[in-house]
Amino acid sequence: EVQLVESGGGLVKPGGSLRLSCAASGFTFSSYSMNWVRQAPGKGLEWVSSISSSSSYIYYADSVKGRFTISRDNAKNSLYLQMNSLRAEDTAVYYCARVGGGGNKNWFDPWGQGTLVTVSS
Amino acid sequence: SYVLTQPPSVSVAPGKTARITCGGNNIGSKSVHWYQQKPGQAPVLVVYDDSDRPSGIPERFSGSNSGNTATLTISRVEAGDEADYYCQVWDSSSDPSYVFGTGTKVTVL
Repeated sequence: EVQLVESGGGLVKPGGSLRLSCAASGFTFSSYSMNWVRQAPGKGLEWVSSISSSSSYIYYADSVKGRFTISRDNAKNSLYLQMNSLRAEDTAVYYCARVGGGGNKNWFDPWGQGTLVTVSS
Repeated sequence: SYVLTQPPSVSVAPGKTARITCGGNNIGSKSVHWYQQKPGQAPVLVVYDDSDRPSGIPERFSGSNSGNTATLTISRVEAGDEADYYCQVWDSSSDPSYVFGTGTKVTVL
C-alpha cells in the first residue's frame, strides 16, 4: 500500500523555524517527484514546493521563496521541508503528495494525512 | 501567474447531476486534475488529465476541458459526494508552478 506520513508540525513563534518530514512507503520513492501543499484553516489548497526524483529540479511558491527549503533523502525514503522565518500566515496543515503523470501532466496522488503548523506568539 | 476560478458553492439534489467549473485562460491547452476533500481529511484525486479516473473512483465522476473552462461532472449525486472540490494544473511558464483552483463546496440537498 502506498503511504505518506508527515511529521514535525507544531506550535512555533513568529520568526522561528520548523522542519517537516514525510516518510514514504509502498512505492519506489526515488522514481517520483514530490511536493508540499498547505491549507490554512478554512481556506483552499496552496502549492508550496516541488522537488524532482533526483533533486535536480526544485520549485517554490513566491510566498515561501527564500524562507523554505525542500529536500529529500532517497536512501531513507523521506521528504523534508525546512521552514525558516515563519510568519502567522504560514499557519496551515501541510501535506506531502506524490506526483503522478509526467511532462506537463502532473497531478498529486496520493496525499499524506497532513501535519499542522501553527505560528503564533 | 496563472489563475483558476471556481464557483464558491454548488447545491444539488440527490440523484441529480452536479457540474463544477474551473475557469482559466486557455485552460483547454492544459491538463486539468480534480480533487475531492471531505472535512478533516486529505484531498483525494478523482479525475486526472482532464477526464481519466483513478482506480476506485466511481464512473459517476467525469471531466471535460475545452477553451477557457474545465468541468467536473458528478452524475447521480449521493450524500457522500458532499465535499470541497479543487481543480489543479501545472503551469510550465518561465517560473513553473502548480496552481489550484479556488475550490467549490458541493452541498447535497
